[in-house]
Amino acid sequence: AQSVSQHNHHVILSEAASLELGCNYSYGGTVNLFWYVQYPGQHLQLLLKYFSGDPLVKGIKGFEAEFIKSKFSFNLRKPSVQWSDTAEYFCAVNAGYGGATNKLIFGTGTLLAVQP
Amino acid sequence: DSGVTQTPKHLITATGQRVTLRCSPRSGDLSVYWYQQSLDQGLQFLIQYYNGEERAKGNILERFSAQQFPDLHSELNLSSLELGDSALYFCASSLGGSGRAGNTGELFFGEGSRLTVL
Repeated sequence: AQSVSQHNHHVILSEAASLELGCNYSYGGTVNLFWYVQYPGQHLQLLLKYFSGDPLVKGIKGFEAEFIKSKFSFNLRKPSVQWSDTAEYFCAVNAGYGGATNKLIFGTGTLLAVQP
Repeated sequence: DSGVTQTPKHLITATGQRVTLRCSPRSGDLSVYWYQQSLDQGLQFLIQYYNGEERAKGNILERFSAQQFPDLHSELNLSSLELGDSALYFCASSLGGSGRAGNTGELFFGEGSRLTVL
């Protein structure tokens, strides 16, 4: 069965600090990988996604993520965070091409608090 | 705005009661997914429907059921409610049902229905 691990449950940073959130998944086949963000009181929004090709993907609001197949990882990065990045971040995986369903399996989430 | 509409936004009810949550997917999307988000369990996949048929099942309790109607909207029925069912229930939609070519697999989420069981 697929699973997703997010190692950082709670991260506190000052504005302008760099961010890296870890995500590892377990699944032997082709996967699609996603990062979603949930701002306080809001629904989940897609930050970025990886399906194939360049393992370094760029998303909205200056976020990027790198897919390292050998490490089963898809870490999220941002060079300089802002107070408005305060939110919960979820890594997710689905089975990719040929999978029977598009259901996403989510990690437990990382709560990011950015201090002004 | 994701294009996915969920009602009601908030619901307060008592233990033992039954409630129905409703979801309208984005225009053109055939798949609907239900997720439960709670503090202790995180985001748990409950069930997926594709064009009216059940496609995948996750950690959905027997007290819970769902269906997707011909107009593609979906309802999640929660019965014999317990305190532990208090959570945020999200609906999401996507174009297709599986990871086939031409289907990006991205899910679009609604704003959720917050259920409080007293």
